[in-house]
Amino acid sequence: SQTIHQWPATLVQPVGSPLSLECTVEGTSNPNLYWYRQAAGRGLQLLFYSVGIGQISSEVPQNLSASRPQDRQFILSSKKLLLSDSGFYLCAWSRKGQVDEQYFGPGTRLTVT
Amino acid sequence: RKEVEQDPGPFNVPEGATVAFNCTYSNSASQSFFWYRQDCRKEPKLLMSVYSSGNEDGRFTAQLNRASQYISLLIRDSKLSDSATYLCVVNGGGSYIPTFGRGTSLIVHP
Repeated sequence: SQTIHQWPATLVQPVGSPLSLECTVEGTSNPNLYWYRQAAGRGLQLLFYSVGIGQISSEVPQNLSASRPQDRQFILSSKKLLLSDSGFYLCAWSRKGQVDEQYFGPGTRLTVT
Repeated sequence: RKEVEQDPGPFNVPEGATVAFNCTYSNSASQSFFWYRQDCRKEPKLLMSVYSSGNEDGRFTAQLNRASQYISLLIRDSKLSDSATYLCVVNGGGSYIPTFGRGTSLIVHP
């Protein structure tokens, strides 16, 4: 069966500090991968998606970036965090090439102070 | 017009009640449809897919109306544990990026 991991679960970072969130998927190959952010009381905002290694598409211009160094690894980064970066960050995967359901990781709750 | 629209609620219902949510979508070429459940401070989890013929899973029934471009979720005999936010998701229509509604909040009280 497939599983998706995210870490850390919670993170408190000062404004201006860097960020690195990691997501890994097990039990499948060649997945589509996604990063979402959910601000408190808000809907899901798609940040990045990837259809393969090194292939990243950005949905929202901001100070975040994403990378996919391996097939089942997806990393979300920032060089300098803003207060507005606070939120619940969710990684998700779906089967390659299909308009299929997504499966979410447990998320990282980020508070920028 | 938003691509996927849901009534945010909250829907406050007593235990045992039947409650229904609708979700409208704007892209007529959309191909697949889902309902997710999200508990407070947790990740969304797939509740059920929505097929053209409709589908049922225990107390939950999902239906698709392509002509009017909406999907629905019916929950019968509501339980306290059904309290959550229910997200409507629409896929396809030229993109493999799913479109999420903002969710409908359900509160089931004793």
